[in-house]
Amino acid sequence: SAVISQKPSRDICQRGTSLTIQCQVDSQVTMMFWYRQQPGQSLTLIATANQGSEATYESGFVIDKFPISRPNLTFSTLTVSNMSPEDSSIYLCSVATGLYGYTFGSGTRLTVV
Amino acid sequence: DQQVKQNSPSLSVQEGRISILNCDYTNSMFDYFLWYKKYPAEGPTFLISISSIKDKNEDGRFTVFLNKSAKHLSLHIVPSQPGDSAVYFCAASEGGNTPLVFGKGTRLSVIA
Repeated sequence: SAVISQKPSRDICQRGTSLTIQCQVDSQVTMMFWYRQQPGQSLTLIATANQGSEATYESGFVIDKFPISRPNLTFSTLTVSNMSPEDSSIYLCSVATGLYGYTFGSGTRLTVV
Repeated sequence: DQQVKQNSPSLSVQEGRISILNCDYTNSMFDYFLWYKKYPAEGPTFLISISSIKDKNEDGRFTVFLNKSAKHLSLHIVPSQPGDSAVYFCAASEGGNTPLVFGKGTRLSVIA
């Protein structure tokens, strides 16, 4: 199965700033998924990123707030823009490997102060 | 609309006994189900999965049961160990590169 390197593992940011999270996969994958886990909550899908096309965002998430890049089949970034304390969460990337396999990055714990 | 539901936010079990975690789903297109264990500030750790063509899958101390007609699955851990204490997420997939849909999780505490 694929191995994902996700960076940074954690960060503390000032409100109003932006943070870019990176995920590097050790193999080529078609789809990458970005999730958010707010404190005490489930993992909620933010968007699906397919190489060469615009990311598809779930209801409640918009590109201006969470721009995503997918320049090639092994890399993606998620930016959390104009941050507020409500953005404090764990952000995770994931890839589908094969028909039913899924791999997750180790997560980015973001605290906005 | 929550497609995957874990109605028990927490469960406490004595060491050595059986832990049963439940999950219900509403989307008939789901054909693959997974259980993950998660610690704070870490990515989910895959535990066990089951395809919709099966009704049981076993891996060591972990067994997952699927009742398609009831749209219900459960994870059995036996015997439970203190190291099993974590949040367990049920997830479902329609397959074919589609994203996982997660339940809200159940916090399992195994008491020594």
